[in-house]
Amino acid sequence: DAGITQSPRHKVTETGTPVTLRCHQTENHRYMYWYRQDPGHGLRLIHYSYGVKDTDKGEVSDGYSVSRSKTEDFLLTLESATSSQTSVYFCAISEGQGAADTQYFGPGTRLTVL
Amino acid sequence: AQTVTQSQPEMSVQEAETVTLSCTYDTSESDYYLFWYKQPPSRQMILVIRQEAYKQQNATENRFSVNFQKAAKSFSLKISDSQLGDAAMYFCAYSGGTYKYIFGTGTRLKVLA
Repeated sequence: DAGITQSPRHKVTETGTPVTLRCHQTENHRYMYWYRQDPGHGLRLIHYSYGVKDTDKGEVSDGYSVSRSKTEDFLLTLESATSSQTSVYFCAISEGQGAADTQYFGPGTRLTVL
Repeated sequence: AQTVTQSQPEMSVQEAETVTLSCTYDTSESDYYLFWYKQPPSRQMILVIRQEAYKQQNATENRFSVNFQKAAKSFSLKISDSQLGDAAMYFCAYSGGTYKYIFGTGTRLKVLA
């Protein structure tokens, strides 16, 4: 258990509404990541952060934004949710960003956009 | 670009038997790391085992071991003495110079009692 929580765990929303998912960690890891998981695709990186206010895009960043104002919190925002963003979202942390650093995952958030 | 391929969408194994899950990858990097993650129905992603590419010795964690063939770019997971609790999705992942994980599409393992 790497001390990672995600909220909410489940959410149903309507197309066009804004949605914010929160990832919280208790161990002051510098690096945090947001992934989405879809059948047939595995996990794909949306955005990641390498420190407070330092973020960068991943493989599937269109339609998503992130913010990190505190070490412990990494927020993922869907400005205007679409049905294609229905997915399971995972937050992950690592000690560093080196290839050797193992990533540890939160419990996931299932988001349904109607 | 690096890719990770898991060609077996689903596998079945009898309880107490041994099963091998396949993973191949493509990369031009010489230094990288490979991982197997387990995702049970609870959705939690759990690290099973990790392999450093510079190590020739295959990693082992209790009943889980890997067969790492660097030249063939193959990284298979062997589960011995399969248990009902091993039933899950298994994901192979690659981490290299870009420091970002690349995941395969997963293999669903069913364990038959």
